[in-house]
Amino acid sequence: GDSVTQMEGPVTLSEEAFLTINCTYTATGYPSLFWYVQYPGEGLQLLLKATKADDKGSNKGFEATYRKETTSFHLEKGSVQVSDSAVYFCALGGSNYKLTFGKGTLLTVNP
Amino acid sequence: EAGVAQSPRYKIIEKRQSVAFWCNPISGHATLYWYQQILGQGPKLLIQFQNNGVVDDSQLPKDRFSAERLKGVDSTLKIQPAKLEDSAVYLCASSPLGETQYFGPGTRLLVL
Repeated sequence: GDSVTQMEGPVTLSEEAFLTINCTYTATGYPSLFWYVQYPGEGLQLLLKATKADDKGSNKGFEATYRKETTSFHLEKGSVQVSDSAVYFCALGGSNYKLTFGKGTLLTVNP
Repeated sequence: EAGVAQSPRYKIIEKRQSVAFWCNPISGHATLYWYQQILGQGPKLLIQFQNNGVVDDSQLPKDRFSAERLKGVDSTLKIQPAKLEDSAVYLCASSPLGETQYFGPGTRLLVL
């Protein structure tokens, strides 16, 4: 079945550091890939998505590229801010648009 | 545009009691989802509705969980009787006919 494996956390960075959160997936067919973010006390929000191989999703300075050859969708940001502190979830969109999530990665950014 | 609404936000019950959660999706969204998010894990789909029909309930523990979406709008999720392992955040999401799902704030359930 479909599955998503993402980097174990927590991740702690200083402000303006470079961020990478790894995500790999297993799926049949050609799924869409998503990154969702959950800020403290809030619901999940879509951060970015990519619907086919080699697509790059981007939003708020975050980027992720759909790599079919390595079945990966790693999240990157060149310079993180304190306000980026949150839990980040990688997800795969399968049949009937069902989402399969990874376990989440807690990011803490210190000033 | 109003987002997905859920109530209550928090609920504490004792095991073997029953509990119900309510979700009001974004207006016009045909698809509604209920997820269970246990602490430290990603959300897991419990049930998916398309209008008022069930598309996928393969991971819903049907001996104790039930859900309905009358008139294809609001939905309720019920647990009866609750077990300790049901302690989790229950998330509702909706989407138009497509992939992007919009999530509500969730209901945090604690079973004692």
